[in-house]
Amino acid sequence: EIVLTQSPGTLSLSPGERATLSCRASQSVSNSFLAWYQQKPGQAPRLLIYGASTRATGIPDRFSGGGSGTDFTLTISRLEPEDFAVYYCQQYGSSPPYTFGQGTKLEI
Amino acid sequence: QVQLQESGPRLVKPSETLSLTCTVSGDSISFYYWSWIRQPSGKGLEWIGNIYYSGSTNYNPSLKSRVTISVDTSNNQFSLKLSSVSAADTAVYYCTRGGSYYNYWGQGTLVTVSS
Repeated sequence: EIVLTQSPGTLSLSPGERATLSCRASQSVSNSFLAWYQQKPGQAPRLLIYGASTRATGIPDRFSGGGSGTDFTLTISRLEPEDFAVYYCQQYGSSPPYTFGQGTKLEI
Repeated sequence: QVQLQESGPRLVKPSETLSLTCTVSGDSISFYYWSWIRQPSGKGLEWIGNIYYSGSTNYNPSLKSRVTISVDTSNNQFSLKLSSVSAADTAVYYCTRGGSYYNYWGQGTLVTVSS
């Protein structure tokens, strides 16, 4: 089972700033099969990125994903007030179970 | 627009079986994978398992002995059964579309295990 470790646990920034979130895997994620989700309180997660760098439908271009192997990042170029939420990475490159990171809370 | 809706008992007694159904609207359940994911309060996401419309399944090894996922294509639904539940199974349960990443989610339903 691949373990995903996200850092930092909490990131405190202001609107307009740039956010960089990290996701490190315990072993290489094949084919960069890594996704990122955003979750706001009381809501289901929303898919942002899949395949490490492909934005899902309707996701603004201020969100970008990168990385390969064991190290991946989610970057939000200019934070909007609605971007403050919890972010999860998830790998689907190996056989099940498909695992999630523990989350990064992005707060003002 | 694809919509998913979980339904089932919100309170389950310890040692009994948790049963949830996900009803899919706006698209056919055929030709996709469908998954269950859960989230204990204030914690992260845990993948439970998935099913293809044909009926083939994959389960999380940590839950495999207690989980059954099934599909009912005639009613555009799929279901989750988790047996021998304990307080550790208290969580919000989400049904989702996808066998790898998940682009459609139900709103989630809180299931509490308590006597």
